[in-house]
Amino acid sequence: QKEVEQDPGPLSVPEGAIVSLNCTYSNSAFQYFMWYRQYSRKGPELLMYTYSSGNKEDGRFTAQVDKSSKYISLFIRDSQPSDSATYLCATRPGSARQLTFGSGTQLTVLP
Amino acid sequence: NAGVTQTPKFRILKIGQSMTLQCTQDMNHNYMYWYRQDPGMGLKLIYYSVGAGITDKGEVPNGYNVSRSTTEDFPLRLELAAPSQTSVYFCASKLRGAIMGEAQETQYFGPGTRLLVL
Repeated sequence: QKEVEQDPGPLSVPEGAIVSLNCTYSNSAFQYFMWYRQYSRKGPELLMYTYSSGNKEDGRFTAQVDKSSKYISLFIRDSQPSDSATYLCATRPGSARQLTFGSGTQLTVLP
Repeated sequence: NAGVTQTPKFRILKIGQSMTLQCTQDMNHNYMYWYRQDPGMGLKLIYYSVGAGITDKGEVPNGYNVSRSTTEDFPLRLELAAPSQTSVYFCASKLRGAIMGEAQETQYFGPGTRLLVL
């Protein structure tokens, strides 16, 4: 079993839709949770960062972490064609220096 | 700042050839990483470094070598290229901080090197 499992997609939605992207993880020691966004043929860039459980909101994006169920979510409201990208969840325990990434979900927002 | 730069952008290698993928960052980051990304497989860590002269293996180090003689540079060496090393390679760097927070957690990625081994 992979340490981080991510819904593989691909996902295609109309402009303005609410998008839900999800990951599950198996290691209860994971404490730091991130979402990276990767445009086609580019390097990933950090989109959202959360420490431990809870929600974080940044504009149209909301990241949720539920440590009791080991579930990570990213919600995108009022999705735009410019949100079309691959979204990667990432996490690490407090003791580790390296991240464990999910396999990524490719999202396409249709105009 | 240029951020993280990688060269070359694309390379075709024959089986058994060697090459070095270059990575340079100008942000004075202590931490540097090499990942490979295969289609639908996310990012797999090859090697990482926490500072000049210090390197450590990641999840998939076989067939690769690294060195870190300066803070800025972190080259990745492929000694005997194999078709299984066909992938996109990303270098990343991160600030080292005493207090954990978003700035200390953010990895900055280069644009990648596409490698095809035939």
